[in-house]
Amino acid sequence: DAGVTQSPTHLIKTRGQHVTLRCSPISGHKSVSWYQQVLGQGPQFIFQYYEKEERGRGNFPDRFSARQFPNYSSELNVNALLLGDSALYLCASSPRTGGAYEQYFGPGTRLTVT
Amino acid sequence: DAKTTQPNSMESNEEEPVHLPCNHSTISGTDYIHWYRQLPSQGPEYVIHGLTSNVNNRMASLAIAEDRKSSTLILHRATLRDAAVYYCILRGSGGSNYKLTFGKGTLLTVNP
Repeated sequence: DAGVTQSPTHLIKTRGQHVTLRCSPISGHKSVSWYQQVLGQGPQFIFQYYEKEERGRGNFPDRFSARQFPNYSSELNVNALLLGDSALYLCASSPRTGGAYEQYFGPGTRLTVT
Repeated sequence: DAKTTQPNSMESNEEEPVHLPCNHSTISGTDYIHWYRQLPSQGPEYVIHGLTSNVNNRMASLAIAEDRKSSTLILHRATLRDAAVYYCILRGSGGSNYKLTFGKGTLLTVNP
């Protein structure tokens, strides 16, 4: 079975630009979460979507937004990029939301802002 | 989120068992105990999770103390591929408990 896929793998952007990252969950999984991992730190939660609705949002500015499509794939958008947005962006999928369910992570998108 | 405490680092030899401890003294009755690991330059990988009873899967075993204030992840025969940062995370059972809160984890080094 295919795991969580993310695109692109790597991305280089300039300050002030906009970026869109994409995620396809495991087949049958209805929940998608996004995390940001800065070098040397653990992943930080950004968003969770379940059944196309936002179920949770982490402590990130409004420059970060996301959506989930009818096929449960998801996009993370970041506007007005800052140097500090350079990080590994991880997508995770889960059958449903809640602690009884494990999350499966994709390989991530490495974003570099120059 | 209830907090967990893990050693910063541990070392093991290849083909020996590894016991990774986690303390969670403020755990609530509905908190699941999750373990994830992250190999260098990869996304986190789900390892195992449980609520009250010990759990086994193809990757590892999870031993949960009777009072649930601590747990131990057991790798039965460590391999070089098991060298990673291991995260112990508590998650409530309700649907509003949507996120994983990662701490610093335990860096496991496996010696050949």
